[in-house]
Amino acid sequence: GQNIDQPTEMTATEGAIVQINCTYQTSGFNGLFWYQQHAGEAPTFLSYNVLDGLEEKGRFSSFLSRSKGYSYLLLKELQMKDSASYLCAVEGYGGATNKLIFGTGTLLAVQP
Amino acid sequence: DAMVIQNPRYQVTQFGKPVTLSCSQTLNHNVMYWYQQKSSQAPKLLFHYYDKDFNNEADTPDNFQSRRPNTSFCFLDIRSPGLGDAAMYLCATQGRINEQFFGPGTRLTVL
Repeated sequence: GQNIDQPTEMTATEGAIVQINCTYQTSGFNGLFWYQQHAGEAPTFLSYNVLDGLEEKGRFSSFLSRSKGYSYLLLKELQMKDSASYLCAVEGYGGATNKLIFGTGTLLAVQP
Repeated sequence: DAMVIQNPRYQVTQFGKPVTLSCSQTLNHNVMYWYQQKSSQAPKLLFHYYDKDFNNEADTPDNFQSRRPNTSFCFLDIRSPGLGDAAMYLCATQGRINEQFFGPGTRLTVL
C-alpha cells in the first residue's frame, strides 16, 4: 500500500527553527519532494531528495533516509510568510512517467 | 515568464451542468497532470498525459474526462457535477528532475 504520514499542524515562533517530519511506505521510490502551499493557492516546489542526506537551499533544508522511510524539512529563521501548509510527496513508479503521492500536509503557523 | 495557467480561477456551476476547466503551459513539458484537492486534504491525481498518451487513475470517476489537443493545452471536463465534486482543481506539468509545476488552480463551486 501507499502511506505518507506528516503531523497535521505545528506552531513556531518568528526567527526560530522548525522541523517538519514525514514518514512513508510506498510500493516504489524514486525520490521525495517537499512543496509549500499557501491557503487557496497552488503548491510550489521547495526541494527534492533522491539520495540519503541533507540538501540545503537557503533557509530551507531537506533530509532523507531511504532505509528508514523518513524525511524532514527544516526551516530556519522563520518569517511570518512561512505560515503555510507543507506537503511531503513521494515519487513512485507510474509506467511511462512517475507519479507523486502526496501526504495531507502539515499546516505551520508562525507566530510573532 | 514560462508558466502554467489555469482558467477560470473560480468557477460556479449547477448540479448536473457540464463544466470545462482549462490549463495551458508555456514550459513545453511533455507531461501534464490534473489533480483534485479538497480542503485540508492531499492533492488527488485524476489523470495524466505523457505527450498524447492518456493515463487514467483507477479510482477516477467516469464523470471526469480530459482532452489534450496539443502540448500546450489540457482540459478537464466534468460531465455531470455533483456536490461532492466541489474542490480545487490543479493542473501541473513535469520538469527535468520530475518536479511538478502547478498552475494557480480553479476553485469549483457546485450549487
